[in-house]
Amino acid sequence: GEDVEQSLFLSVREGDSSVINCTYTDSSSTYLYWYKQEPGAGLQLLTYIFSNMDMKQDQRLTVLLNKKDKHLSLRIADTQTGDSAIYFCAESINSGYSTLTFGKGTMLLVSP
Amino acid sequence: DGGITQSPKYLFRKEGQNVTLSCEQNLNHDAMYWYRQDPGQGLRLIYYSQIVNDFQKGDIAEGYSVSREKKESFPLTVTSAQKNPTAFYLCASSIRVEGQPYEQYFGPGTRLTVT
Repeated sequence: GEDVEQSLFLSVREGDSSVINCTYTDSSSTYLYWYKQEPGAGLQLLTYIFSNMDMKQDQRLTVLLNKKDKHLSLRIADTQTGDSAIYFCAESINSGYSTLTFGKGTMLLVSP
Repeated sequence: DGGITQSPKYLFRKEGQNVTLSCEQNLNHDAMYWYRQDPGQGLRLIYYSQIVNDFQKGDIAEGYSVSREKKESFPLTVTSAQKNPTAFYLCASSIRVEGQPYEQYFGPGTRLTVT
């Protein structure tokens, strides 16, 4: 079965880098995603990575994928207080209308 | 502006009453989804629909019902059979583009409190 695990909480100081980790179990995942949820709001897609890639960089965001270990990470450089939110890792199995399996989310708290 | 709307933002009901949550999208997306979010539980899929007049159960469909009579609308009814209905409900939609990951666009959510 599909299962996505994340640590529940991360606290960093403004200006530091944040690294949020995720592990998944289904080796047939085709895409892996990072979503951000601000308090009381819906989810917003931050970035995604195709399963045949090792790394993807998008401005302050770097996604690393270790397919052998089924480990995904999201690094946020120069973390700002506005980055405080819940970050969800998700996987999809095929490129059609498959559903997403979400982790429980990591709450990132950025202190000044 | 294109997007997904959910109404109302906050909803209060008495135990034993059915309640319907609205979800509308003007993105022309074929697929729509309902999730439930509880603290520390992440998102769990309730129902999803890939085309009009068709829908499938997700992981926690018991106590819920949906309809998809129009492409733009995917209302969710929380019935009295749902044991713990108090939660934050999120609606999403997506479009399929061949060879691309599909992004699910989320609405702002409805917080349902049943007492």
